[in-house]
Amino acid sequence: DQQVKQNSPSLSVQEGRISILNCDYTNSMFDYFLWYKKYPAEGPTFLISISSIKDKNEDGRFTVFLNKSAKHLSLHIVPSQPGDSAVYFCAASDSNTGKLIFGQGTTLQVKP
Amino acid sequence: GAVVSQHPSRVICKSGTSVKIECRSLDFQATTMFWYRQFPKKSLMLMATSNEGSKATYEQGVEKDKFLINHASLTLSTLTVTSAHPEDSSFYICSARDESGHYNEQFFGPGTRLTVL
Repeated sequence: DQQVKQNSPSLSVQEGRISILNCDYTNSMFDYFLWYKKYPAEGPTFLISISSIKDKNEDGRFTVFLNKSAKHLSLHIVPSQPGDSAVYFCAASDSNTGKLIFGQGTTLQVKP
Repeated sequence: GAVVSQHPSRVICKSGTSVKIECRSLDFQATTMFWYRQFPKKSLMLMATSNEGSKATYEQGVEKDKFLINHASLTLSTLTVTSAHPEDSSFYICSARDESGHYNEQFFGPGTRLTVL
């Protein structure tokens, strides 16, 4: 039972353009969502998060949008840079357990 | 941001031996730490929640006698893979929750690559 899904295993974008990574979830108890960036053989690095009481959170080039009715969130990176190339995981949590449930990840490649 | 370390970063062992992996929060105290496992090109799978001073809580399907977790202090949790077999080969990652920050934010260690021959 995959509660958090990233249906696109990979995404390729030209440098300077926008990267949009998508994530869907099924558990309506989730009330906090996070995006992590990960390189091979390293631990995930926190990027940005959003509480379920908001629909948008912005931090520099990164913006996360949350659509609760659709149980969908997305990460926008603009402008994309070659250094953004990595695997991006979305994760969801509910305040009762504090556990993070991860999606499968999307490999982003930003071409110069 | 908060820093979490893991040791060792890489370990190769023979089948049947036990391996201990340490997870430390370097600049904060963590009542709760988490252990994950990642298979190649797969998501991070939560194995267990490590609670300081009490027993760990294991996720469904994870053998608690196989993966021993000890959280003896507010800055250290250990995962021991007992009687390791080749199918235990994986990338193990720990995380720690900074209690002073948002409840749901976790900071991850760099991971430990375990290879069982």
